[in-house]
Amino acid sequence: TAGITQAPTSQILAAGRSMTLRCTQDMRHNAMYWYRQDLGLGLRLIHYSNTAGTTGKGEVPDGYSVSRANTDDFPLTLASAVPSQTSVYFCASSSGTGESGELFFGEGSRLTVL
Amino acid sequence: GQNIDQPTEMTATEGAIVQINCTYQTSGFNGLFWYQQHAGEAPTFLSYNVLDGLEEKGRFSSFLSRSKGYSYLLLKELQMKDSASYLCAVIDSGYALNFGKGTSLLVTP
Repeated sequence: TAGITQAPTSQILAAGRSMTLRCTQDMRHNAMYWYRQDLGLGLRLIHYSNTAGTTGKGEVPDGYSVSRANTDDFPLTLASAVPSQTSVYFCASSSGTGESGELFFGEGSRLTVL
Repeated sequence: GQNIDQPTEMTATEGAIVQINCTYQTSGFNGLFWYQQHAGEAPTFLSYNVLDGLEEKGRFSSFLSRSKGYSYLLLKELQMKDSASYLCAVIDSGYALNFGKGTSLLVTP
């Protein structure tokens, strides 16, 4: 079972360049999320989508954009990367609220901005 | 806003019991999750509490007191493979989980 697939697994990017991190899920979950994880700061929510066609801002949305054209895909775009965006990015999905709010995570994308 | 606190690091001995505490102050409350994360891997679900009390799952138990804004994860019969980070997360008024910074647990022989 695939679950959530993220690509690329890792990437080195020059500052100022754009980058799209891809995320696809095959569980037909309504909600999808992007988190970044940094040492000492934990997982922080960047953007989320409660259902296809809608998106919302999380705790640290600046410098990032998302789209949700369909249920399965939730790409995260960095329009002009900066070194502070060096992080591990996790895509996640959930089927609903309450106990259904359990998040299923992808394996992560490690991004280094130089 | 939300504030979720847990200890940064803990050390315990193989075979022992360890309790990892989590306190939270959130604008709403729709449940509390515990996740386990091994180094270099994605977090994986351990437990969910929405009502006060203890939920037991094998060697792992999780407790919640909503009036105190407090939860703990209890790990019994510790094994070396339990060395990992343990993440406390709260759903406030929406869908998204808000995570604490995590507790790094080291199990020693």
